Amino acid sequence: AQSVTQLGSHVSVSEGALVLLRCNYSSSVPPYLFWYVQYPNQGLQLLLKYTTGATLVKGINGFEAEFKKSETSFHLTKPSAHMSDAAEYFCAVSGVTSGSRLTFGEGTQLTVNP
Amino acid sequence: TAGITQAPTSQILAAGRSMTLRCTQDMRHNAMYWYRQDLGLGLRLIHYSNTAGTTGKGEVPDGYSVSRANTDDFPLTLASAVPSQTSVYFCASSELLGSEQYFGPGTRLTVT
Repeated sequence: AQSVTQLGSHVSVSEGALVLLRCNYSSSVPPYLFWYVQYPNQGLQLLLKYTTGATLVKGINGFEAEFKKSETSFHLTKPSAHMSDAAEYFCAVSGVTSGSRLTFGEGTQLTVNP
Repeated sequence: TAGITQAPTSQILAAGRSMTLRCTQDMRHNAMYWYRQDLGLGLRLIHYSNTAGTTGKGEVPDGYSVSRANTDDFPLTLASAVPSQTSVYFCASSELLGSEQYFGPGTRLTVT
């Protein structure tokens, strides 16, 4: 069994400020973790993923996430927000070794204020 | 590379009518999925297919059916549409059942 909790359905930051989107997961097997971004009226696009190896993962558009097993977390960060980062962000978990499907969190809407 | 295509882009459908949403991928992925996205409810899995010839039920399968006759195509059929099926529908595919998924652009369906 696996699940994802995204803390905060809405996050608002100022342009240039740090972006921090929180994701906690539960999984009975070693997890694979993902962050997706969805811009208005579009499908989901993969931002980054953790499978094995280095726990700090870098993705597109300057985003990165760190897998912390002890905290069962995979928070998404970006040092300096741009207006173009305004979108909805989804965290997802799977257990590939168990053949399980991705389970998505409910999403966090990021607003970037000028 | 086209990736995943969905058709139609949008549709208005009278209640009680049937409709098939089309999904085609060109990545030769084994697994394919159908989700619906509703405000405040996130993504909910309707049906999925592990490989051609097999399908499985997701969280919200009632009122929907799928088939997977070949690797590339995964159509979703609403046999008798109801207003609660008004939603945005996304098709996705992945190489394996738990690996990263690639999404289509979506179909916006309104059932009146």
